[in-house]
Amino acid sequence: NAGVTQTPKFQVLKTGQSMTLQCAQDMNHEYMSWYRQDPGMGLRLIHYSVGAGITDQGEVPNGYNVSRSTTEDFPLRLLSAAPSQTSVYFCASSYGGITDTQYFGPGTRLTVL
Amino acid sequence: ELKVEQNPLFLSMQEGKNYTIYCNYSTTSDRLYWYRQDPGKSLESLFVLLSNGAVKQEGRLMASLDTKARLSTLHITAAVHDLSATYFCAVEGSGGSNYKLTFGKGTLLTVNP
Repeated sequence: NAGVTQTPKFQVLKTGQSMTLQCAQDMNHEYMSWYRQDPGMGLRLIHYSVGAGITDQGEVPNGYNVSRSTTEDFPLRLLSAAPSQTSVYFCASSYGGITDTQYFGPGTRLTVL
Repeated sequence: ELKVEQNPLFLSMQEGKNYTIYCNYSTTSDRLYWYRQDPGKSLESLFVLLSNGAVKQEGRLMASLDTKARLSTLHITAAVHDLSATYFCAVEGSGGSNYKLTFGKGTLLTVNP
């Protein structure tokens, strides 16, 4: 099993550009989440999904969209990138619930200029 | 709103010494996790604590939970260099829109020879 995979590993955007961070898992987990990690801030929940077709907002959802068309994939879209979105983004999946043990992907380091 | 505080945020230890990291949280919770993050890497789960008085141990790390005091501790025994990492606690919020994980800011542990 590959677990949770994320692409790309690194990305540089200019302010106003859009992009999609990809996340996929092969563990058949119903629950998936997106977090951002900023220095000194821990991890903050952006959006999460409790199954295909069902998503909800987390703590810091502004500027991000998500969709969940399949169990495996949970892409995160930045609509119009801003420097404040410079961060490391982690996708995670879990088995028994949205707060169950998180299996994290390797992360995407995003810089917005 | 659930708040999670870790202390210390930075910890420099000598090999062979013992120390404790503290995780305090502000509202009732039945589930607490400890995660480890190596520099530039993703997070991996260390422990899940599910009830008052729960204690989990693996190697030189021991975690405990006191739900009445809303406190968890991560005790490091006879530290070795390989334990150098950032340690996060994450607490499950209870009820409605609070039903998600809230992470502490992390404790950066450096073990020196």
